[in-house]
Amino acid sequence: NAGVTQTPKFQVLKTGQSMTLQCAQDMNHEYMSWYRQDPGMGLRLIHYSVGAGITDQGEVPNGYNVSRSTTEDFPLRLLSAAPSQTSVYFCASVGQVAGELFFGEGSRLTVL
Amino acid sequence: GNSVTQMEGPVTLSEEAFLTINCTYTATGYPSLFWYVQYPGEGLQLLLKATKADDKGSNKGFEATYRKETTSFHLEKGSVQVSDSAVYFCALSAGGTSYGKLTFGQGTILTVHP
Repeated sequence: NAGVTQTPKFQVLKTGQSMTLQCAQDMNHEYMSWYRQDPGMGLRLIHYSVGAGITDQGEVPNGYNVSRSTTEDFPLRLLSAAPSQTSVYFCASVGQVAGELFFGEGSRLTVL
Repeated sequence: GNSVTQMEGPVTLSEEAFLTINCTYTATGYPSLFWYVQYPGEGLQLLLKATKADDKGSNKGFEATYRKETTSFHLEKGSVQVSDSAVYFCALSAGGTSYGKLTFGQGTILTVHP
């Protein structure tokens, strides 16, 4: 009963490096999203997807790229990491009830 | 746009104390309201929800009532336990095509001492 699985849990990057945060869910949910969590700011939506092949921008999309080739997977790509992207990233999928999100355990990213 | 404002934290209480965490919101239309909880080292999980005015959401001894007249959704618990120590987030969903997009408050850290 895995739910939403994120990898890696921790990552340190240098400015300018690129990387991909992986997210997979086994609940057959159509809707998936990525949030970042920063102290004192709650969670802010980066990108979301309403189904395979469909993605859209959230509140803070700059510097991030996503794709959704399957229902299960929704990777988040950092194109050229910047210190401002130091954060905790959460992937979530949405079940049958509007607003009921199922979150992964998070990926803590540090950009030096 | 939509926004959620929570009371400043951190909140520190003794076990069996009464808890209130204030939450107010700004939104057009009739949003659904949620409280999420994040235990140390974990992702967020849904604690309770209310989808229309005057609804009361409840779970694990926590309650919150959707007050449209005051645009509030305050979280309460009559007697907290050490295991309730966590970060609590108030959130809203505008519904419709935004049904999966939540607007979160900044979070309130709760620490309960024995």
